[in-house]
Amino acid sequence: DAGVIQSPRHEVTEMGQEVTLRCKPISGHNSLFWYRQTMMRGLELLIYFNNNVPIDDSGMPEDRFSAKMPNASFSTLKIQPSEPRDSAVYFCASSLVLANQETQYFGPGTRLLVL
Amino acid sequence: AQSVAQPEDQVNVAEGNPLTVKCTYSVSGNPYLFWYVQYPNRGLQFLLKYITGDNLVKGSYGFEAEFNKSQTSFHLKKPSALVSDSALYFCAVRPFSGNTGKLIFGQGTTLQVKP
Repeated sequence: DAGVIQSPRHEVTEMGQEVTLRCKPISGHNSLFWYRQTMMRGLELLIYFNNNVPIDDSGMPEDRFSAKMPNASFSTLKIQPSEPRDSAVYFCASSLVLANQETQYFGPGTRLLVL
Repeated sequence: AQSVAQPEDQVNVAEGNPLTVKCTYSVSGNPYLFWYVQYPNRGLQFLLKYITGDNLVKGSYGFEAEFNKSQTSFHLKKPSALVSDSALYFCAVRPFSGNTGKLIFGQGTTLQVKP
């Protein structure tokens, strides 16, 4: 299995631009999670989906952030417009929610720099 | 409130010495407990988990963790540290109730193993 795939791995953009991060979860997994990691705030859960349905988006910092999961094999996290304070590493993780399972597997992350 | 605490921001040990990274939790019900490791510029990697059964859980790279229900702790241990174990370690818990797969992560502990 290829694991969780994220693209791009690095993104440099200017303030005000739209940024789209992509994630392909592990095949067969039914939960998907978006996290943000910064030195100041550590690891934060932004939003998660179960069976493609958003369950909890309370971690999304503001309306500039949106996430979709149109099917079981693809999710996007969009920032529009981007701001320098959005600079962080964004991780996607997936898991299979069944009894005694639910280990989350993380992708390599997208390192975002907003100038 | 459900939470996970890693009381030490950093743990320093000499190579060859035993190491312990501490974790305590506060959740309702019987939790699922996890340890993850993050090497520089990488995503989080699953190390081990406790679901039920033997309180001593063995995981990858020679790590083990002991579940202590009375102390609500799940400390990570290794008998003999390696320089290559230097990384950021996260404890996480999934409350027994609810089955969407969400994990609550601690703030992380940096392990520094010196030669």
